[in-house]
Amino acid sequence: LAKTTQPISMDSYEGQEVNITCSHNNIATNDYITWYQQFPSQGPRFIIQGYKTKVTNEVASLFIPADRKSSTLSLPRVSLSDTAVYYCLVGAGYSSASKIIFGSGTRLSIRP
Amino acid sequence: DAGVTQSPTHLIKTRGQHVTLRCSPISGHKSVSWYQQVLGQGPQFIFQYYEKEERGRGNFPDRFSARQFPNYSSELNVNALLLGDSALYLCASSLENQPQHFGDGTRLSIL
Repeated sequence: LAKTTQPISMDSYEGQEVNITCSHNNIATNDYITWYQQFPSQGPRFIIQGYKTKVTNEVASLFIPADRKSSTLSLPRVSLSDTAVYYCLVGAGYSSASKIIFGSGTRLSIRP
Repeated sequence: DAGVTQSPTHLIKTRGQHVTLRCSPISGHKSVSWYQQVLGQGPQFIFQYYEKEERGRGNFPDRFSARQFPNYSSELNVNALLLGDSALYLCASSLENQPQHFGDGTRLSIL
């Protein structure tokens, strides 16, 4: 089972770009990389998913180097509402949820 | 469109009792998974069901059981509750090979 390593916490300020890096050294060939955001007392919310290179959507970008042993979630121009816990997951699609492991996540705090 | 809905939102039980938690997936989603999230930790996988069949089971005791109904809704049952079962129980649904969508969970407190 592929495990991930993320920083426990990060701080930033409103308007800044925030990059959260995740290490997944034993990622398998058919594993995707997925990021979730979680606010207190709410379920995780899907942010972005990718397999290689770069993926961008309306809220974030995901950068994956060629070796796929790490990935970086980029949040442009953060606001106070981006204060949350961010989880990086690796897994072989969602037909095998049991093979997807949530770590402890990165607690992101945004200051005015 | 309605997201994943879970009921109840909060529940208080005492040790030794049993509990049933319910989940309605997003319309069209045939896969439902259950997770336990203890305060300060990430969600831990308990079960996955797809088309009413158990597809995976996490490292939880036999006191935990689940099932999926023909309409793809699901129940998680926990017997002989322990203090350590106090947690946020999350349900997630998905289409095959697509990211999971989570409900906001049931907060279970054991006294």
